[in-house]
Amino acid sequence: DGGITQSPKYLFRKEGQNVTLSCEQNLNHDAMYWYRQDPGQGLRLIYYSQIVNDFQKGDIAEGYSVSREKKESFPLTVTSAQKNPTAFYLCASTPQGQGAGYGYTFGSGTRLTVV
Amino acid sequence: GENVEQHPSTLSVQEGDSAVIKCTYSDSASNYFPWYKQELGKRPQLIIDIRSNVGEKKDQRIAVTLNKTAKHFSLHITETQPEDSAVYFCAAYSGAGSYQLTFGKGTKLSVIP
Repeated sequence: DGGITQSPKYLFRKEGQNVTLSCEQNLNHDAMYWYRQDPGQGLRLIYYSQIVNDFQKGDIAEGYSVSREKKESFPLTVTSAQKNPTAFYLCASTPQGQGAGYGYTFGSGTRLTVV
Repeated sequence: GENVEQHPSTLSVQEGDSAVIKCTYSDSASNYFPWYKQELGKRPQLIIDIRSNVGEKKDQRIAVTLNKTAKHFSLHITETQPEDSAVYFCAAYSGAGSYQLTFGKGTKLSVIP
């Protein structure tokens, strides 16, 4: 998947359960991002990280948590506090290029469904 | 922060016709403007981008124009084909502080054979 891998492709969560979505990249990119996409909607930023051991909340961080212990990995945990987690989750990465801007490379996504 | 508006939200064209999608941005410090194509159930893929020091860029049937004064940029697709049917997202990158892309809400393009 072009250097950035998300797993699993499909995930089912029971009520009250925490689940973790994996995102791994081998592009040597510094910055990584998590987006949520609802049917027919745009991309909403959940969390982002521009350097190891540091991350920032995006527009809809409530009910989610992340970690960035390694440059290649940026897992997203959907906690039981997220009441409507059914959505398509996209991870992305980009070179750090502050001030220059670079396009994001996206993973193939994880489709999360509450059962 | 940056705000990106995208229009129209849906667009239907006959095969062979041209399609134009327009975006406006609010932050005059934004300096990079990519366009993404997302097919149903797939990940967004970068199709073309433009930097603020360039007014127009073309890649075969796709072109992007940028008007910095008016703070708007547009995607032009000529000789549309059924495989161009997808959702297209514009985005703007502000280097002043946030170091992230702000996306428009997307345009669903349908090319009618």
